[in-house]
Amino acid sequence: DIQMTQSPASLSASLGETVSIECLASEGISNDLAWYQQKSGKSPQLLIYAASRLQDGVPSRFSGSGSGTRYSLKISGMQPEDEADYFCQQSYKYPYTFGAGTKLELK
Amino acid sequence: QVNLLQSGAALVKPGASVKLSCKASGYTFTDYYIHWVKQSHGKSLEWIGYINPNSGYTNYNEKFKSKATLTVDKSTNTAYMELSRLTSEDSATYYCTRLNSSPLYYVMDAWGQGASVTVSS
Repeated sequence: DIQMTQSPASLSASLGETVSIECLASEGISNDLAWYQQKSGKSPQLLIYAASRLQDGVPSRFSGSGSGTRYSLKISGMQPEDEADYFCQQSYKYPYTFGAGTKLELK
Repeated sequence: QVNLLQSGAALVKPGASVKLSCKASGYTFTDYYIHWVKQSHGKSLEWIGYINPNSGYTNYNEKFKSKATLTVDKSTNTAYMELSRLTSEDSATYYCTRLNSSPLYYVMDAWGQGASVTVSS
């Protein structure tokens, strides 16, 4: 199985601050990488797919980048509504696997 | 709009089975695979498997092959997941999701609201 190592496990950001979350795959996943946001008590919501494509309706302050085994999610200007858990997920090979998640809090 | 409506929370005894449902609306049910995901302890996510609603073909994570059984009812646009021989390790929230695919990507673009399963005597 492809292991997805996500970091950091948690972080705290001030309003307007830019934050980055990273995922490292145990093998190349050819940009088959998605990022999800999960708010407390809710289901995951798709933010980014194919490593860098923004899902319809997602604010443009969210962006994704990377290639090969290294991928990142950037939030350019932290907003209160961005407080949530974030997960990466590879769809390159079955079984699909997820990162352990990053808890983002507003400082 | 696309909606996946899951059945409610379940409290089941150890050793029993439970069947969760996921009713799709807002799109052509047979055009998209339905995947199931487990979330334990409010954090980590595990992919269980998927079903092709058109053919009934299934593909499971090895870890869940003897635990989960996926089926569909095309007449009601509903997918089901039955979990058998339940233990405390199966206590979790289970999500159904729709896989949107193209030659360039595969992505779970819509998720149900989740169904909580608690295994307790």
